[in-house]
Amino acid sequence: EIVLTQSPGTMALSPGERATLSCRASQRVSASYLAWYQQKPGQAPRLLIYSGSTRAAGIPDRFSGSGSGTDFSLTISRLEPEDFAVYYCQQFINSRQFIFGPGTKIDIK
Amino acid sequence: QVQLVQSGADVKKPGASLNVSCTASGDTFTGYYIHWIRQVPGHGLEYMGRVNPHSGDTKYAEKFHGRVTMTRDTSIKTAYMVLTGLTFDDTAVYYCAKEPYYYYYMDVWGKGTTLTVSS
Repeated sequence: EIVLTQSPGTMALSPGERATLSCRASQRVSASYLAWYQQKPGQAPRLLIYSGSTRAAGIPDRFSGSGSGTDFSLTISRLEPEDFAVYYCQQFINSRQFIFGPGTKIDIK
Repeated sequence: QVQLVQSGADVKKPGASLNVSCTASGDTFTGYYIHWIRQVPGHGLEYMGRVNPHSGDTKYAEKFHGRVTMTRDTSIKTAYMVLTGLTFDDTAVYYCAKEPYYYYYMDVWGKGTTLTVSS
């Protein structure tokens, strides 16, 4: 059974700072099946990155995804006030099942 | 761009069943899967399963096998998720989301349906 672990659980940063979020899989997975979502309070998740590194439509280029094997990351180059939210990674596994990581919350310092 | 409109919030007693609908706006109800994901208050996202609106084929997460049924009505472009045997632990927001066939991500989400299980 594949498990996704995200770290840190919470991070406190200031606007303008760089954020690097980690998503680790318990076994090797394909970057093609790795996506990142942003969720703000009271809202549904929003797709940010798919196929490990491709930005979804309308997503600013300060968001970037990378990684392979078991280690993936989401980087926000310069935090804007609207970026303070919870971020989830998601992986497709066999038999058309999906799993999500537990999330990383970015708080304003 | 397809949008997904979900049914409204609901309150159920333990042992009851939840029925949530998810209606697609736009021209088509095919070419994508409809997935169901839930979120317990203050927690992360939990995958429940999916239905193929074209064929009706379903795939459920093991945790919900035997308790969940996902169906669709193509004439009104609506997918349904029924969850039976509700307990207090089923209190959550239930989302539907679409995945274009074999894209492996969910590009459009409904706003969510809040379920409260209370005696």
